[in-house]
Amino acid sequence: AQSVAQPEDQVNVAEGNPLTVKCTYSVSGNPYLFWYVQYPNRGLQFLLKYITGDNLVKGSYGFEAEFNKSQTSFHLKKPSALVSDSALYFCAVSRNRAGYSTLTFGKGTMLLVSP
Amino acid sequence: GAGVSQSPSNKVTEKGKDVELRCDPISGHTALYWYRQSLGQGLEFLIYFQGNSAPDKSGLPSDRFSAERTGGSVSTLTIQRTQQEDSAVYLCASSLLTGLDEAFFGQGTRLTVV
Repeated sequence: AQSVAQPEDQVNVAEGNPLTVKCTYSVSGNPYLFWYVQYPNRGLQFLLKYITGDNLVKGSYGFEAEFNKSQTSFHLKKPSALVSDSALYFCAVSRNRAGYSTLTFGKGTMLLVSP
Repeated sequence: GAGVSQSPSNKVTEKGKDVELRCDPISGHTALYWYRQSLGQGLEFLIYFQGNSAPDKSGLPSDRFSAERTGGSVSTLTIQRTQQEDSAVYLCASSLLTGLDEAFFGQGTRLTVV
């Protein structure tokens, strides 16, 4: 079975400071990793994904994530946080098996950026 | 349509009644997912469709839950004899081919069982 852990229910950061939202995963075989964001009263939106290649993946709105195979982690980062980044962030994992792939999400981390 | 459409957006039902939730995925998307989002519980996987077949339905909580997909397009999630613990937001997502592709989510159906 595949699973995702987001150890922090909430992350608080001041605007302009760097932010990190943590994610670790468990999956057999090669992982395919994703970050999604959910703004208040809006649906989930795709931010970025790692399939293969460079361990540092760049995505929407200035976000990036670093894949670390030895630590089975895929932390989301941004060099300078904005108040508008405040939202619920979900990490997800998938793997290619028998021609189909189920997408499994973590419980989510609420990011609060203060002015 | 331009995005994933779910209906109804809100549903209030009495305990014991059956409900049907509908999902219209993006045209041409082969993969379709149903998730349930409860406060503090994150996104709970329910079922995955590849075309009209469901190779993974391991997340359905009980035999009161069922889902089908017809014509490789519209999907219906049915909950029979609803219980209060079924109250949640039910989200549908579709992706082009498989779970390796970006998933596009609908706005969800908020189900309240009273």
